[in-house]
Amino acid sequence: DIQLTQSPSFLSASVGDRVTISCRASQGITFYLAWYQQKPGKAPKLLISHASTLQSGVPSRFSGSGSGTEFTLTISSLQPEDFATYYCQQLNNYPRFTFGPGTQVEIK
Amino acid sequence: VQLVESGGGLIQPGGSLRLSCAASGFTVSSNYMSWVRQAPGKGLEWVSTIYGGGPTYYADSVKGRFTISRDNSKNMLFLQMNSLRAEDTAVYYCARDVVSDLSGTDIWGQGTMVTVSS
Repeated sequence: DIQLTQSPSFLSASVGDRVTISCRASQGITFYLAWYQQKPGKAPKLLISHASTLQSGVPSRFSGSGSGTEFTLTISSLQPEDFATYYCQQLNNYPRFTFGPGTQVEIK
Repeated sequence: VQLVESGGGLIQPGGSLRLSCAASGFTVSSNYMSWVRQAPGKGLEWVSTIYGGGPTYYADSVKGRFTISRDNSKNMLFLQMNSLRAEDTAVYYCARDVVSDLSGTDIWGQGTMVTVSS
């Protein structure tokens, strides 16, 4: 199985900060990586597909990059509504997709 | 376009439970549909996937105990869970996967909580 690791697992940031979350795959997954945002008590929301394609309606302050085994989610200017947990997901060996362990973004 | 799960609850270890997921705005039979679970305070875990008439897929942790199915006439997805264990305690999400280009899971239900405890 393809394993995903995320770093950091927790980060504390202020409104307006630039935030970067990393996701590393245990083997190459080309660009079959998605990013999700999950708020407490809610279902995950798809933010980015194919490592860098922003989903419709997602603010442009979110961006993704990477390919192969190293990927990054960046929030250019953190807003109050962005405080949540972020997960990466690999779809390279769909349907046996896997998620990273998550990165919790909290208010400093 | 939405998914609505039901059927969760408190069940004793070794017991069985059937989760349901009603889809609206699209047809379950034409899509890859999955169940994903999240244990309390933990991350997301893929459980099972089904497509159209056929193939079904299961995580090793549930293989032989869980069965995914769908009813095309009712546009519904199901997860039959047998021999439940404490480690199956989680919120179970029904979800639609975008497989045409492997872009991700674009529609999620609100989740239904399953608690396995004596």
